[in-house]
Amino acid sequence: DTGVSQDPRHKITKRGQNVTFRCDPISEHNRLYWYRQTLGQGPEFLTYFQNEAQLEKSRLLSDRFSAERPKGSFSTLEIQRTEQGDSAMYLCASRWTGSSYEQYFGPGTRLTVT
Amino acid sequence: SQKIEQNSEALNIQEGKTATLTCNYTNYSPAYLQWYRQDPGRGPVFLLLIRENEKEKRKERLKVTFDTTLKQSLFHITASQPADSATYLCALEGTGNQFYFGTGTSLTVIP
Repeated sequence: DTGVSQDPRHKITKRGQNVTFRCDPISEHNRLYWYRQTLGQGPEFLTYFQNEAQLEKSRLLSDRFSAERPKGSFSTLEIQRTEQGDSAMYLCASRWTGSSYEQYFGPGTRLTVT
Repeated sequence: SQKIEQNSEALNIQEGKTATLTCNYTNYSPAYLQWYRQDPGRGPVFLLLIRENEKEKRKERLKVTFDTTLKQSLFHITASQPADSATYLCALEGTGNQFYFGTGTSLTVIP
């Protein structure tokens, strides 16, 4: 296992379409985070999972956004009815809560909504 | 809500000098603070963590300080190299295990 992976790396979609992103964390990591990052800004927390349970969601996460982590392994983030304001880099990170606070980030999925 | 501010301007320094980056936070008393490095088009990479009861932490050419009275952390890179050019982010864990990141400081080390 070489780290956190995300798929796709880039996604271009038309406004109003639905998109889904996938994150595969480091296999033994029990906590998984989703962030959104726009140009010139730091990552903004969206949500996190402890194993398969979604424990916290940011106010940024409108009802068009939904995330899942079935069986506590990979996670998906779906955006319905995309808007141009959704254009951003979506980052996933994972962590093992038993040993450290360090988060390992994936390379991100860059979403462009036209 | 939690607010984190970093050097608003990009930082340009000469190779070999020490770069000092600032992170100020409000509205919370974190148990620890983290620093990450981010290169263009990539996810952040963890560098250092400092706990509230630690004044200073070092790792090779990196040094972090944490002043909980001032609500400030300083990040130093000594003997800077062009390869240190990147954006540096500070982060802390707030209520509900939400992580808050600063806007980042872009550092350019000039050969």
